[in-house]
Amino acid sequence: DAGVTQSPTHLIKTRGQHVTLRCSPISGHKSVSWYQQVLGQGPQFIFQYYEKEERGRGNFPDRFSARQFPNYSSELNVNALLLGDSALYLCASSLDFWKTYEQYFGPGTRLTVT
Amino acid sequence: AQTVTQSQPEMSVQEAETVTLSCTYDTSESDYYLFWYKQPPSRQMILVIRQEAYKQQNATENRFSVNFQKAAKSFSLKISDSQLGDAAMYFCAFRSGGYGNKLVFGAGTILRVKS
Repeated sequence: DAGVTQSPTHLIKTRGQHVTLRCSPISGHKSVSWYQQVLGQGPQFIFQYYEKEERGRGNFPDRFSARQFPNYSSELNVNALLLGDSALYLCASSLDFWKTYEQYFGPGTRLTVT
Repeated sequence: AQTVTQSQPEMSVQEAETVTLSCTYDTSESDYYLFWYKQPPSRQMILVIRQEAYKQQNATENRFSVNFQKAAKSFSLKISDSQLGDAAMYFCAFRSGGYGNKLVFGAGTILRVKS
């Protein structure tokens, strides 16, 4: 079975631009979470979605938004990019939201803001 | 809010030897889960081992085992018979019990394996 996939693998954007990152969870998984991993640090929780609804949000500005589609794939959007948004963005999927299932991470999207 | 601290930015181990990575956490909750994740240069975050707080027995997965000291809020990872493929960044992570999957990660420990 295919694991969590993310696209693109990496991209370069300019300050002030907008970016959309995509994630496809493992087949059958209904919950998707997004994490930001700045170089040299541990991942920081951004959002969790389950059944197309936001179920959790980390301490990130409103420039960050996300959504989940009927097929459970997800997009993370970042507006008005700042240099500090440069990071590895990780997507993780899990079977459910209500029980303690394992999370499986994708390979990430490396975003560089210049 | 929960915090996870990994005080060893970098560790080295000789191939076939044993190494222990340290992790401490802070929480007021009694129901939670602790994890060790491995992130090789390929960036893929891989679950190494998991521990439920309500279990007194330390988790073990092949060459990987943990020393879970709940009162001390300590959760160390022991890697036995280290292999070159174990070289990676290791993250300790905390998850509250109940609903949701939010993980709180430590800053990570780089493990280097010498041949």
